[in-house]
Amino acid sequence: AQTVTQSQPEMSVQEAETVTLSCTYDTSESNYYLFWYKQPPSRQMILVIRQEAYKQQNATENRFSVNFQKAAKSFSLKISDSQLGDTAMYFCAFMNPPHFGAGTRLTVKP
Amino acid sequence: DTGVSQNPRHKITKRGQNVTFRCDPISEHNRLYWYRQTLGQGPEFLTYFQNEAQLEKSRLLSDRFSAERPKGSFSTLEIQRTEQGDSAMYLCASSRRDPSFTGELFFGEGSRLTVL
Repeated sequence: AQTVTQSQPEMSVQEAETVTLSCTYDTSESNYYLFWYKQPPSRQMILVIRQEAYKQQNATENRFSVNFQKAAKSFSLKISDSQLGDTAMYFCAFMNPPHFGAGTRLTVKP
Repeated sequence: DTGVSQNPRHKITKRGQNVTFRCDPISEHNRLYWYRQTLGQGPEFLTYFQNEAQLEKSRLLSDRFSAERPKGSFSTLEIQRTEQGDSAMYLCASSRRDPSFTGELFFGEGSRLTVL
């Protein structure tokens, strides 16, 4: 069975600072996709960033980057230069079909 | 295309009643997923379709839940004999399945169910 664990229920960060959200997963597959999704308050879920397991290079999307450690089954999300609009629930997800972690509630403080 | 559409957005029902939710995916997407999300939790996988075929169903899914996608386009999720524990947000998502598949899901805004 595939499991996704997010051990930080809540986090906060000052605007313009950097924050890292943690995620670990368990799978017996060798090739797969990992994702971070963002769910702003009362709004729909949107994709933040994706990582393909066979790619060693960590994915980057503007202020968002991941630290993918395949052997450790770890997939953390780093948000640089945090903005107020980054306040949301963040979910780590594993393909396929997509299974989600319990989420981390991130608050960016002015 | 306006994205994934879900109806109704809110449903209040009495315990024991049946409810049905509808999801219209993005038109060129052949995969469709249903999730349940309770407050402060992550989406819990229920089932998914590729075209009209139901490929996987969660073992946690009660027999009271059934989903269909008869023509490979829209899908319905029916809950029979609702219980208070069924109160949740029901999310639908769709994706492509082709050689360029990257796994990204596109979510609807969800259908919130309240069972009294």
